[in-house]
Amino acid sequence: LAKTTQPISMDSYEGQEVNITCSHNNIATNDYITWYQQFPSQGPRFIIQGYKTKVTNEVASLFIPADRKSSTLSLPRVSLSDTAVYYCLVVGAAGNKLTFGGGTRVLVKP
Amino acid sequence: DVKVTQSSRYLVKRTGEKVFLECVQDMDHENMFWYRQDPGLGLRLIYFSYDVKMKEKGDIPEGYSVSREKKERFSLILESASTNQTSMYLCASSFPGTARNSRGEQFFGPGTRLTVL
Repeated sequence: LAKTTQPISMDSYEGQEVNITCSHNNIATNDYITWYQQFPSQGPRFIIQGYKTKVTNEVASLFIPADRKSSTLSLPRVSLSDTAVYYCLVVGAAGNKLTFGGGTRVLVKP
Repeated sequence: DVKVTQSSRYLVKRTGEKVFLECVQDMDHENMFWYRQDPGLGLRLIYFSYDVKMKEKGDIPEGYSVSREKKERFSLILESASTNQTSMYLCASSFPGTARNSRGEQFFGPGTRLTVL
């Protein structure tokens, strides 16, 4: 499975857009890029998944360039409740085994 | 909504005790997983199961075993608990990756914080 690298932490302010970039240089042709969110004392929660170009849902957008060696999770107009750890994962063809890295700790300030 | 429940939120055990962590899911998922989470190390996969009575080792299976006798239930067993097994344990479940458009979407329980003294 491709290894992912993402920043350890990011600070932002309420109402701003937060962009977290993840690198996955060894991503395979059949791999998908998946992001999870984890609040303190809770299990991770699936946010979004994509293969290429752009994916948007009610929570976030995911931008994946043509070479797929990186991806950017975009959180529009964050609020204090978006303070969490965000994990970038590359999911293999079978979609079963997930490998979580250290994640990015996002702190949203008032 | 998918619900994954774990038998305890907090557990304190002594070194050498046998510990059972239970996980139950109510969405008829084929796959179930056990992770541990430690500061600075993220989530690490201990074992997973893709069917009843089937199991596969994850990245850190040493010191653990699992049991899947029923589809909805996946148990993690610490045969002889040690202090280095103090951690947050998270259970998750999912459909097989190939069965859904959203691969890798796992549903997590709230976690069990285990302390081994």
